[in-house]
Amino acid sequence: DTGVSQDPRHKITKRGQNVTFRCDPISEHNRLYWYRQTLGQGPEFLTYFQNEAQLEKSRLLSDRFSAERPKGSFSTLEIQRTEQGDSAMYLCASSFNDRVGVDNSPLHFGNGTRLTVT
Amino acid sequence: DQQVKQNSPSLSVQEGRISILNCDYTNSMFDYFLWYKKYPAEGPTFLISISSIKDKNEDGRFTVFLNKSAKHLSLHIVPSQPGDSAVYFCAASPWGGAQKLVFGQGTRLTINP
Repeated sequence: DTGVSQDPRHKITKRGQNVTFRCDPISEHNRLYWYRQTLGQGPEFLTYFQNEAQLEKSRLLSDRFSAERPKGSFSTLEIQRTEQGDSAMYLCASSFNDRVGVDNSPLHFGNGTRLTVT
Repeated sequence: DQQVKQNSPSLSVQEGRISILNCDYTNSMFDYFLWYKKYPAEGPTFLISISSIKDKNEDGRFTVFLNKSAKHLSLHIVPSQPGDSAVYFCAASPWGGAQKLVFGQGTRLTINP
């Protein structure tokens, strides 16, 4: 169990540029989540996948954000036309769920990607 | 609208004593609660959870208490150790909805030798 891996750890970009982050979940986990954390706050839910299907998106996820999990393994989160308000820590988490509609298995988080938009 | 609140941004406790971290919630649909611990430059790590059918859950030095009528939960750490110094997040979700955790703002716990 190598844990949830996120790449890159840090990203500095200029406003208006596009950025893409990658998350590799724990291998046997079928659910993958993206959260965002800003300074002084707890993580906020963005979206999650069951295998390759994106099942829910928060209203925090504007149309500039897109997430994919094409083969049900790793996931990418892309932010287009970045804004300074996008500066945050982007956390990926995974879990295993074996019952449709019910999931109380704890989330395992990666160490995050810290995005700074200048 | 902050549905999960941790009103103490920081807490300082002497090594060996009890640490008590508090959390309040407003959404009556929440019935599954978790505590996560976070060290600098790392992601949150799951500590302990409790469902609304219980009022107490214990795991080693960590105990979580749930008071549903008051919409309040607390995490007790006994005895506190220097390695417990971290930021602690309370989180909540509806039953079966662990994927959409709602987190509090966190409490920074410092254990003094």
